[in-house]
Amino acid sequence: DIQLTQSPSSLSASVGDRVTITCRASQRISRHLNWYQHKLGRAPKLLIYEASNLQSGVASRFSGSGSGTDFTLTITNLQPEDFATYYCQQNYNTPPWTFGQGTKVEIK
Amino acid sequence: EVQLVESGGGLAQPGGSLRLSCAASGFTFSSYEMTWIRQAPGKGLEWVSYISASGTTIFHADSVKGRFTISRDNARNSLFLQMNSLRAEDTATYYCARYHVLTGFDSWGRGTLVAVSS
Repeated sequence: DIQLTQSPSSLSASVGDRVTITCRASQRISRHLNWYQHKLGRAPKLLIYEASNLQSGVASRFSGSGSGTDFTLTITNLQPEDFATYYCQQNYNTPPWTFGQGTKVEIK
Repeated sequence: EVQLVESGGGLAQPGGSLRLSCAASGFTFSSYEMTWIRQAPGKGLEWVSYISASGTTIFHADSVKGRFTISRDNARNSLFLQMNSLRAEDTATYYCARYHVLTGFDSWGRGTLVAVSS
């Protein structure tokens, strides 16, 4: 199974900051990597698919990059509604579909 | 607008059973692959089960294989998860999610809580 390791596990940031979350795969997965946002009590939301494609309706301050084993989610100009937990997920070698352990973005 | 609404969660005893349902609307349900994904308290997301659009291909995570069964009724726009031989470690919020090979899990419900305890 492909393991995904996110870093950091949590971070504190202020409104207006630029935030970067990384996801490392245990083997090469081309660009088959997606990013999700999850707020407590809400449905998880797809942000980025295939490493760098912005899902329809998602704010342009979210962006993704990477290929192979190393991927990045960047949030520029962090907004109050962006405080949440973010997960990466691989689509390359399934089943199983696997997720990273999550990165919690908290208010500083 | 795509809507997925889960139901059927609740309290079950170890060894007991529950059947989760997911009502889909706003899209052509019979054209989409569907999945169940769960989140245990304080833990991350874990894929549980997958079913193809026609229902002919099914996969389950090793952690639930032989105990859980995914199914669908395309005429009723509904997805199901039959959960047998429940264990404490199955305690989680269970989400129904639409799947596409390019976009991943592109729509999710708000989840239904399953608690397994004596």
